[in-house]
Amino acid sequence: ETGVTQSPTHLIKTRGQQVTLRCSSQSGHNTVSWYQQALGQGPQFIFQYYREEENGRGNFPPRFSGLQFPNYSSELNVNALELDDSALYLCASSDMGLAGANEQFFGPGTRLTVL
Amino acid sequence: ELKVEQNPLFLSMQEGKNYTIYCNYSTTSDRLYWYRQDPGKSLESLFVLLSNGAVKQEGRLMASLDTKARLSTLHITAAVHDLSATYFCAVGLGTASKLTFGTGTRLQVTL
Repeated sequence: ETGVTQSPTHLIKTRGQQVTLRCSSQSGHNTVSWYQQALGQGPQFIFQYYREEENGRGNFPPRFSGLQFPNYSSELNVNALELDDSALYLCASSDMGLAGANEQFFGPGTRLTVL
Repeated sequence: ELKVEQNPLFLSMQEGKNYTIYCNYSTTSDRLYWYRQDPGKSLESLFVLLSNGAVKQEGRLMASLDTKARLSTLHITAAVHDLSATYFCAVGLGTASKLTFGTGTRLQVTL
C-alpha cells in the first residue's frame, strides 16, 4: 500500500508568482484535503476534493485553487503569491466511502517560501 | 464557527512523570483526532475517537473523548524523551471531513 506523497519537498518563489503543488493520495482513497500550516500554528483547512469535485472550502481567497484527477491525485495552485503564503502545505487523503472515521492520512508536506 | 483550544501550549516535563493535555471544542462533533508532529515533519495519526466515552491507548499515551463536555484528553504516562513533539487535536465536522485543528501542545521531555 502506497502512502501519501507530495512534490516538491521545498520551493522558493517571489511575490506575485504562481505555484503548483502536487499530491498523490494513498492507494484506495478517493478524497484529498489540503491544509496550510504557518510556522508555530496548527494546520488550516484550505479545501477538499472528492471524486474530482470541490467538497468544502475554508477561509482562503480565490487565488487558492485546486484540481483532482481521475486517479484521485490532486494539485493546489496559488496565484499572486504573498509573503504570508509562506508555510508548510499538507495534503491528506481519506476514503469518503468508508463509514465512520474518514481518517485522514497526511503526506510529508511541501515547504513554500515566498520572498 | 468551530473553535478548538488546547492547553497547555507548552509543556516541559521530566522523564517518568505523568501529565494530561486538554482539548476543548465549541461545537458538537463525534469525531476527534490526535496527531503528533515532529519538527519540520508531517502529521502522524495517533488516535481516532468516534463516540462519547471512547478511550484508546497506545504505549504511554491514552486518549479519551467526552462529547457532552466537548472535551478530549491525551494522557501521558511515565514520559520518555522520545515523546518530545508537538501534539494536535483536530475535530471533524460534516461529511466533508474538514478538520479544525487546535493550537497544538509542544511537549518537551527532559532527562
